[in-house]
Amino acid sequence: KQEVTQIPAALSVPEGENLVLNCSFTDSAIYNLQWFRQDPGKGLTSLLLIQSSQREQTSGRLNASLDKSSGRSTLYIAASQPGDSATYLCAVWNQGGSEKLVFGKGTKLTVNP
Amino acid sequence: GAVVSQHPSWVICKSGTSVKIECRSLDFQATTMFWYRQFPKQSLMLMATSNEGSKATYEQGVEKDKFLINHASLTLSTLTVTSAHPEDSSFYICSANAATSFSTDTQYFGPGTRLTVL
Repeated sequence: KQEVTQIPAALSVPEGENLVLNCSFTDSAIYNLQWFRQDPGKGLTSLLLIQSSQREQTSGRLNASLDKSSGRSTLYIAASQPGDSATYLCAVWNQGGSEKLVFGKGTKLTVNP
Repeated sequence: GAVVSQHPSWVICKSGTSVKIECRSLDFQATTMFWYRQFPKQSLMLMATSNEGSKATYEQGVEKDKFLINHASLTLSTLTVTSAHPEDSSFYICSANAATSFSTDTQYFGPGTRLTVL
């Protein structure tokens, strides 16, 4: 059974700091890995999607890496801003067996001005 | 583009009543829509996969007679929580991807529906 773990559960940093969010998954048989942002009481916004054959994806100040063999991904946020405050969710699309998107519990990020 | 809406955004109901939640893809056709449930400080958990014109596929442990899903068109799926009880109180989120893409491609999520059962 695929399990996705995100560390840390919460993170508070001062504005301008570079930071890394971690995601690990137990089964490397995945189609892709996705990072989402969720604001309180809201739905999800897709940030980055990394196919299983890719190593990283970049969008603006965000960079996500994927090491499928070790079951790890990191989301790097450069020059953090208060507007980046949200919960960041990592999810993997499970391959084989029960094919579905499996989510971690998220990392709640607070960027202080 | 690629906007998914949900209605209502929040609902409060009495125990024993039924509640219908709508999920619409506003500017694209969605062959497949997904329904998730999220409890506070927990992961999103897939409840069921909704396929246009056919029966939904439910995840293990999800009661199909309690959570009725209808996907009557390429832009609308509905989730009806029948005989709701307080333990059904949760945040329900739907997602969809374009009919022209693979289901493993980017999913677009709705804003969610907060259900509170008294």
